[in-house]
Amino acid sequence: DVKVTQSSRYLVKRTGEKVFLECVQDMDHENMFWYRQDPGLGLRLIYFSYDVKMKEKGDIPEGYSVSREKKERFSLILESASTNQTSMYLCASSLVGKGRQPQHFGDGTRLSIL
Amino acid sequence: GESVGLHLPTLSVQEGDNSIINCAYSNSASDYFIWYKQESGKGPQFIIDIRSNMDKRQGQRVTVLLNKTVKHLSLQIAATQPGDSAVYFCAENFSGGSNYKLTFGKGTLLTVNP
Repeated sequence: DVKVTQSSRYLVKRTGEKVFLECVQDMDHENMFWYRQDPGLGLRLIYFSYDVKMKEKGDIPEGYSVSREKKERFSLILESASTNQTSMYLCASSLVGKGRQPQHFGDGTRLSIL
Repeated sequence: GESVGLHLPTLSVQEGDNSIINCAYSNSASDYFIWYKQESGKGPQFIIDIRSNMDKRQGQRVTVLLNKTVKHLSLQIAATQPGDSAVYFCAENFSGGSNYKLTFGKGTLLTVNP
């Protein structure tokens, strides 16, 4: 089974802090993703990475950056946390194979910015 | 805005009954669809996927039906169990865009009564 592990289940930070969310996958997947999930808005893509050191902006990249130094690890960075970034953050990964492949998710990090 | 939606936000069934969860999509070019299950406090879990060259696909106790004529997707769960209680949402992708980008519906809450 695919295993996507997010380092923290719950995190509380203060406005203005720099926040790091970590994600590791163990299936040698090329693609990795960061989403946020908010009630009534569903899942929204923040950033995507298709290879080491490669990244693309998703639908809502403002206020976020990412880092992918190793294939298995994808980090989301909140440069200066704000209260509107309080949310559930989900990491996912997928294989590049013949045809489309499903994304597999971690259990999420519930982040509160005070 | 979202191009994938659900007809019913909540569905309540008796244990042992069959459940049907529906999803409408608006992009006729979408050709890959996924159903996810999300239990409380967990990340979305892949259930089943289907490509547009098929109209039906079966898994263990689940069947996905695709009607491209009316742009409708459904997930059928046979002999629903209490452990099936969760939010279910569909996702779509179309080959004309990036092959990674999924558009997610907002979800249907399935409650199984014992």
